[in-house]
Amino acid sequence: EAGVAQSPRYKIIEKRQSVAFWCNPISGHATLYWYQQILGQGPKLLIQFQNNGVVDDSQLPKDRFSAERLKGVDSTLKIQPAKLEDSAVYLCASSPYGGLEKLFFGSGTQLSVL
Amino acid sequence: AQSVSQHNHHVILSEAASLELGCNYSYGGTVNLFWYVQYPGQHLQLLLKYFSGDPLVKGIKGFEAEFIKSKFSFNLRKPSVQWSDTAEYFCALSSGGSYIPTFGRGTSLIVHP
Repeated sequence: EAGVAQSPRYKIIEKRQSVAFWCNPISGHATLYWYQQILGQGPKLLIQFQNNGVVDDSQLPKDRFSAERLKGVDSTLKIQPAKLEDSAVYLCASSPYGGLEKLFFGSGTQLSVL
Repeated sequence: AQSVSQHNHHVILSEAASLELGCNYSYGGTVNLFWYVQYPGQHLQLLLKYFSGDPLVKGIKGFEAEFIKSKFSFNLRKPSVQWSDTAEYFCALSSGGSYIPTFGRGTSLIVHP
């Protein structure tokens, strides 16, 4: 079966610029997650969607980060404006049954903010 | 709030050595526990999971983990590692009503041939 697709694979921007990441989960998976993984740390949840509704976005820096999942399928994560500390790998994951089951991860987008 | 601690950040072993990676969690209720692995250049994938029942769970590639509720631990073990086990290992848990997975910071394992 096709896995979780993410693009772009790499992105380099200057601070204060904007950037957007795209994720296409595995077909039929209701739950979609965006994680931020800073070098040397574990993935940190930014936002969880159940279909097209937000389940948890308590750790999303809402002054600069936004995410949407239109029609309960694809999702985009945006940063505007970016800061140096946003340099990280942004991982998208999906699951058919939420956290009760395993997550399927994409390859991630590596963001470098200069 | 739930949290996961992995105390070994870097582990270096020779092939055929035994492996044990520590994982401790903080949560007072029922938990679901996972170990994920990320091989170089690949995405995160599930190694094994514990939901209930037998506290000793077996995963892929000869890995196993033991859930010890009294110690809030879920350590990962393998009796004899191979060079191909070189990877980053993450312990994770989900709990409570939302079952949002929380990850530890990971352990980097290097196995020398």
